[in-house]
Amino acid sequence: QSALTQPPSVSGSPGQSVTISCTGTSSDVGSYNRVSWYQQPPGTAPKLMIHEVSNRPSGVPDRFSGSKSGNTASLTISGLQAEDEADYYCSSYTTSGTHVFGTGTRVTVL
Amino acid sequence: EVQLVESGGVVVQTGGSLRLSCAASGFTFEDYPMHWVRQPPGKGLEYVSLITWDSRNTYYADSVKGRFTISRDNGKNSLYLQMDSLRSDDTGLYYCVKGYSGVDSGMDVWGHGTTVTVSS
Repeated sequence: QSALTQPPSVSGSPGQSVTISCTGTSSDVGSYNRVSWYQQPPGTAPKLMIHEVSNRPSGVPDRFSGSKSGNTASLTISGLQAEDEADYYCSSYTTSGTHVFGTGTRVTVL
Repeated sequence: EVQLVESGGVVVQTGGSLRLSCAASGFTFEDYPMHWVRQPPGKGLEYVSLITWDSRNTYYADSVKGRFTISRDNGKNSLYLQMDSLRSDDTGLYYCVKGYSGVDSGMDVWGHGTTVTVSS
């Protein structure tokens, strides 16, 4: 149950697009289309942004999109806004019946 | 309003025990799987445990297996985490989290967390 691998940080100017990768194994990301993404601004609880690889819950802007290829999932934020500055975590269901989170990525809006 | 409120976090000595509680409201609690997720100070999210809607199945991260026990009382809309043989690396903010749909789905409602500090 090793954590999924994410880049520690990504940054972009307002209006630009950034992509965060999330690399797992054939025991988690590669086995299921059950990857989720969470946004966590400092001092707050995480918020679900994407579930089942690419589905947005109600109220999440369509600037947020998800995809997956093999053992790697990705979150893209298009038209970056100042309010998007936060930590982002991926997670995946695993073959052992639990879930596993990614290492987390700090998104900075320049 | 959908809400999860955790309680029970305290300072406890290494080797001690603790029981966390989570009160749910604003949704049909018995219809959803529930999770515990923790976050050590200044670090990332770490998955802890899952319980199915009917309590028939429970799952644990390797780091807590054999020491922690998850349970629920659907009549009281409550989730629990019994924590035994506590270690310093169990220190963190513990979130109670609602599953979006099935046990394999994302987690769509998070509490504000309760802080557990394990000190020698």
